[in-house]
Amino acid sequence: GQSLEQPSEVTAVEGAIVQINCTYQTSGFYGLSWYQQHDGGAPTFLSYNALDGLEETGRFSSFLSRSDSYGYLLLQELQMKDSASYFCAVRDRDTGRRALTFGSGTRLQVQP
Amino acid sequence: AAGVIQSPRHLIKEKRETATLKCYPIPRHDTVYWYQQGPGQDPQFLISFYEKMQSDKGSIPDRFSAQQFSDYHSELNMSSLELGDSALYFCASSPRDSSTYNEQFFGPGTRLTVL
Repeated sequence: GQSLEQPSEVTAVEGAIVQINCTYQTSGFYGLSWYQQHDGGAPTFLSYNALDGLEETGRFSSFLSRSDSYGYLLLQELQMKDSASYFCAVRDRDTGRRALTFGSGTRLQVQP
Repeated sequence: AAGVIQSPRHLIKEKRETATLKCYPIPRHDTVYWYQQGPGQDPQFLISFYEKMQSDKGSIPDRFSAQQFSDYHSELNMSSLELGDSALYFCASSPRDSSTYNEQFFGPGTRLTVL
């Protein structure tokens, strides 16, 4: 089975940098994904790390350390529209199942 | 660009009624997933289809069933509805050439309310 842990809430101000951590326990591992979800909206794919290191996509970066079973999502130059829930997610390599298992989500509130 | 389409967007049912949710995946996507998301919770995987065949089952109750049709659209059928079935139901699809299936494209969801 798989389990992922994230902080439940994070608050930051506009223009700041925030890091959302995710630790996971899984016997088989394809990589770590991140999704953004605004209230009442659909999850939207942000990034995917298959290998250790940092992946950068504009203001968002994602990091993975497989030896530490740890990853994070880094959001820079925060904007009010970044207020949303952020989920880390994995796939089960042991079963080969294509479905995602999500963490419980981190609610980010960006303040003016 | 085409997105995943779900209908209806909102549905209100009474306990013990049935409901059918529809999903139209992005063209040329070969895998369709159904997820259930309760208030303040993460999406929970229900069931998936690969090339119109059921591929995986998650935490789908026996009261629920799903299928994928020849035109690739999928339907989630829910019977004997309970209050606890009130949730957002998302359909997602992933492309045929995906190397990882970690990037899934979610529809806008159907908000089901059971009274």
